[in-house]
Amino acid sequence: DQQVKQNSPSLSVQEGRISILNCDYTNSMFDYFLWYKKYPAEGPTFLISISSIKDKNEDGRFTVFLNKSAKHLSLHIVPSQPGDSAVYFCAASANYGGSQGNLIFGKGTKLSVKP
Amino acid sequence: DGGITQSPKYLFRKEGQNVTLSCEQNLNHDAMYWYRQDPGQGLRLIYYSQIVNDFQKGDIAEGYSVSREKKESFPLTVTSAQKNPTAFYLCASSKRGLAGGYEQFFGPGTRLTVL
Repeated sequence: DQQVKQNSPSLSVQEGRISILNCDYTNSMFDYFLWYKKYPAEGPTFLISISSIKDKNEDGRFTVFLNKSAKHLSLHIVPSQPGDSAVYFCAASANYGGSQGNLIFGKGTKLSVKP
Repeated sequence: DGGITQSPKYLFRKEGQNVTLSCEQNLNHDAMYWYRQDPGQGLRLIYYSQIVNDFQKGDIAEGYSVSREKKESFPLTVTSAQKNPTAFYLCASSKRGLAGGYEQFFGPGTRLTVL
């Protein structure tokens, strides 16, 4: 049973427009959420994170929104650039007990930004 | 220059052979992880270690083994018991991030192909 779901396998946007990537989770014990960006044949790179005590975190062109009641988070990229084309993974963790620091990943969304 | 190194980048083995993938980090992180990624899939946790001389099974540990004799090193052995070993293998280590949760940092990955 997937605890972290990214229901859109792919997304295509025009350069300069907004990209919105969505992620849903089922485990109410998750209290920390992260987004990673991954190019083919490379390791994921950390983009941005948010704690469950917040509903928004912003870092340059990247903003993550968290809606705890809906168990939903989204990553906004504004403006989108061709170099943003990659697979984006949503991840969540519950920072308690023996699993502290372990991440549960979604299956990823492939973003294509067209010039 | 701190980071996580994985070697080799590409590895080919014959069916029935054990193979060991290397992972080294000089970030002074306590926790280390091994994942595998298959096409269209997210990252699935194989093993993790939160401290030297201790490690735990992840979601798909069958057919794999690890050791953690040094803080810097977390090698993964893919044994002949692993039924479908061809995959992209990622090593990670983690630290507590500014937002309070743990962020994982990934190596560049090893593509293992079993012929």
